[in-house]
Amino acid sequence: DTEVTQTPKHLVMGMTNKKSLKCEQHMGHRAMYWYKQKAKKPPELMFVYSYEKLSINESVPSRFSPECPNSSLLNLHLHALQPEDSALYLCASSQESVKREGKFFGPGTRLTVL
Amino acid sequence: GQNIDQPTEMTATEGAIVQINCTYQTSGFNGLFWYQQHAGEAPTFLSYNVLDGLEEKGRFSSFLSRSKGYSYLLLKELQMKDSASYLCAVKSLNTGFQKLVFGTGTRLLVSP
Repeated sequence: DTEVTQTPKHLVMGMTNKKSLKCEQHMGHRAMYWYKQKAKKPPELMFVYSYEKLSINESVPSRFSPECPNSSLLNLHLHALQPEDSALYLCASSQESVKREGKFFGPGTRLTVL
Repeated sequence: GQNIDQPTEMTATEGAIVQINCTYQTSGFNGLFWYQQHAGEAPTFLSYNVLDGLEEKGRFSSFLSRSKGYSYLLLKELQMKDSASYLCAVKSLNTGFQKLVFGTGTRLLVSP
């Protein structure tokens, strides 16, 4: 299994809703990431988990709450989002311990906040 | 901080060769990635360079010169499906080994 999976593929939510994005990988990667990407812009890093511990939080608003239940799963809990949070949310994983590596992205969740 | 520059847009003809350049300024350089991204899809990993020189992988090659802060992605025998955005991303020790900083991307349009 050499892929990162994400669910759901699309999500529409209101500003008062609570929802979660899910990400899974079975490549044995110990680093997992959440990125946000707006149209025609590059991905922006939000969070990094390394060995299931949060190692980087890029000053992301608290309405986004990451969780790493185990080494294969990564969640992003969403609450009280704003319309400007509408974007493509990408999960990625990587094997940091090898010299030659690539960061592999999941297909993304396209989020629309009404 | 880091500064990564790529041309915004390029056009080329099917069957031709195109070179997409990326220049960067960073301290503690620790690797450069190239990704391909089709509209509405996730980025797909193409290559990773950490040492100077050329890495060839089929129709795609990537070159790195650390002293010049310069990389390029070379695409040969262009196909229509190569129309996509190409993202250069740099990893550096001073931002933490896990942080990848992306350039703004180069939108490549391949015409018949």
